[in-house]
Amino acid sequence: EDQVTQSPEALRLQEGESSSLNCSYTVSGLRGLFWYRQDPGKGPEFLFTLYSAGEEKEKERLKATLTKKESFLHITAPKPEDSATYLCAVQAASNYQLIWGAGTKLIIKP
Amino acid sequence: EAQVTQNPRYLITVTGKKLTVTCSQNMNHEYMSWYRQDPGLGLRQIYYSMNVEVTDKGDVPEGYKVSRKEKRNFPLILESPSPNQTSLYFCASSPGPRLWEAQYFGPGTRLTVL
Repeated sequence: EDQVTQSPEALRLQEGESSSLNCSYTVSGLRGLFWYRQDPGKGPEFLFTLYSAGEEKEKERLKATLTKKESFLHITAPKPEDSATYLCAVQAASNYQLIWGAGTKLIIKP
Repeated sequence: EAQVTQNPRYLITVTGKKLTVTCSQNMNHEYMSWYRQDPGLGLRQIYYSMNVEVTDKGDVPEGYKVSRKEKRNFPLILESPSPNQTSLYFCASSPGPRLWEAQYFGPGTRLTVL
């Protein structure tokens, strides 16, 4: 069964303390992996798409990487405005459906 | 402004009373999708559409209907709502060419079925 697991469920960091969020997946062939950010009471906001192992994407303090089994979202020197829930989604090669992880709630304390 | 709009934003209804949640996008996107989001379960796809008059089931289509008569609109219909359909619903659109590339989400509709 296709599955996406995000860890940790929640992460509290001090401002400036770098860390990584994990998205591990088991699918029968990967068509694409997507990262989104969701603020409370709002719809998710697109961050990155990764298509093949070894691929990396960067945006401001965020960097997403992909291996054959997992993806990491690295956050460098985070600020309080980076606080949000980060969602990972995977599209398997076998169909058109997206499978979403439950998300990691990130809290950055000033 | 490029956006996805949903109406209503909040709705409280009773079991069995048909309702429609509208979704409209002004970006000329090919692909549109409906999701529901429940605590601990994350986002689950209900239906999606790859073009006008082309729709397909997602993970949890039971109890829902959709239609795509125009490119910009993708309404979600609950013919006979039940309490287990109480949830936060999101509509999304994406430009392609790759399916699901860079989805734009609406603000959400919080539905309560009593």
